[in-house]
Amino acid sequence: KAGVTQTPRYLIKTRGQQVTLSCSPISGHRSVSWYQQTPGQGLQFLFEYFSETQRNKGNFPGRFSGRQFSNSRSEMNVSTLELGDSALYLCASRIPDTYNSPLHFGNGTRLTVT
Amino acid sequence: QQPVQSPQAVILREGEDAVINCSSSKALYSVHWYRQKHGEAPVFLMILLKGGEQKGHEKISASFNEKKQQSSLYLTASQLSYSGTYFCGTETPNFGNEKLTFGTGTRLTIIP
Repeated sequence: KAGVTQTPRYLIKTRGQQVTLSCSPISGHRSVSWYQQTPGQGLQFLFEYFSETQRNKGNFPGRFSGRQFSNSRSEMNVSTLELGDSALYLCASRIPDTYNSPLHFGNGTRLTVT
Repeated sequence: QQPVQSPQAVILREGEDAVINCSSSKALYSVHWYRQKHGEAPVFLMILLKGGEQKGHEKISASFNEKKQQSSLYLTASQLSYSGTYFCGTETPNFGNEKLTFGTGTRLTIIP
């Protein structure tokens, strides 16, 4: 069974630009969560999508948005990039049993904003 | 609110034991534990559920004190492969919209 796939692996953008990251979950997993990882901050929850609906949202500004398609693939968009957005963005999928099922993470997209 | 992990970092010799703690200020449904090696994705280790059920890894154990909203991960007879950053994640009741919130991690280094 293929794991969670994230593309691209690396991105370099300049301030003010926007970026779209993609995540393909494990087949059969309908829940997709996004996390931002920076040194010292751990994994910060961005949002979770289930059946094309945002089920939960973290404390990030509106520049961070996402969506989920009918095949459960998800995209995350960051508009008007800031230097502080440089981070590893991780996507994770799970079967939608919430607290009873583990997250399966992709290898992440490393975003560098210059 | 982020759970609090302790210690932030620990260095052990191969064969020694380690305990990593995770505490929350809120009532918990579950506690998850993950390990992340440098440059890799976090990997699931264990889930501890309210009510005492535990699902996960063979060689690593954990406890969950529901009253104190605390969990501890026990690594016995540590191996070099145990090196990495350990994250606990907690889920609190939220009417079916529970989200998994992670601590800032504990960096474990095992030396020969």
